[in-house]
Amino acid sequence: GQQLNQSPQSMFIQEGEDVSMNCTSSSIFNTWLWYKQDPGEGPVLLIALYKAGELTSNGRLTAQFGITRKDSFLNISASIPSDVGIYFCAGLRNFGNEKLTFGTGTRLTIIP
Amino acid sequence: DGGITQSPKYLFRKEGQNVTLSCEQNLNHDAMYWYRQDPGQGLRLIYYSQIVNDFQKGDIAEGYSVSREKKESFPLTVTSAQKNPTAFYLCASSIQETSNQPQHFGDGTRLSIL
Repeated sequence: GQQLNQSPQSMFIQEGEDVSMNCTSSSIFNTWLWYKQDPGEGPVLLIALYKAGELTSNGRLTAQFGITRKDSFLNISASIPSDVGIYFCAGLRNFGNEKLTFGTGTRLTIIP
Repeated sequence: DGGITQSPKYLFRKEGQNVTLSCEQNLNHDAMYWYRQDPGQGLRLIYYSQIVNDFQKGDIAEGYSVSREKKESFPLTVTSAQKNPTAFYLCASSIQETSNQPQHFGDGTRLSIL
């Protein structure tokens, strides 16, 4: 099955820095979702985007639904230690029985 | 407290043995899913179910089986035919499979081979 191209694969940053990651696809999606997974736990939904061009915030997190509907971006401002984890994007086409397609993940590490 | 409960948290399988992973949800969600996650990789869909007594194969169904006898429950059996079962297994649910409502995940079961 298809997986979305997510980049970067990993990031090493210092506490307080801003973080940007993105997800791209060769095909259109009608819904974009961003999840965070802590070690040994299931992914937790951070932000859901339903409309092209939509910009949505959740605290220090901001995500955008790309205008072409083929990409999405997640930004984290002023990172803190609890931001460490793996971030996944996921896309949904809503056509018939189309399934949720996941990105390959971005692993965020904060350097002390 | 509403949510998705997976059990056990850790499971060990002997060669040639079938094991069953439990997934229960009290969110009144119609659709349920099973994913496999290998180290450093994303999630791959094993099976999914839109309604009771109905389920479909995902991308990597070989060596796995499921049942959906109740809305709340979607157990996954890892059979002896699955030659590389060591992985982190995640169960998810959503309101309707064909809606744009997001999936919510349990905390996973880590399966290892003895």
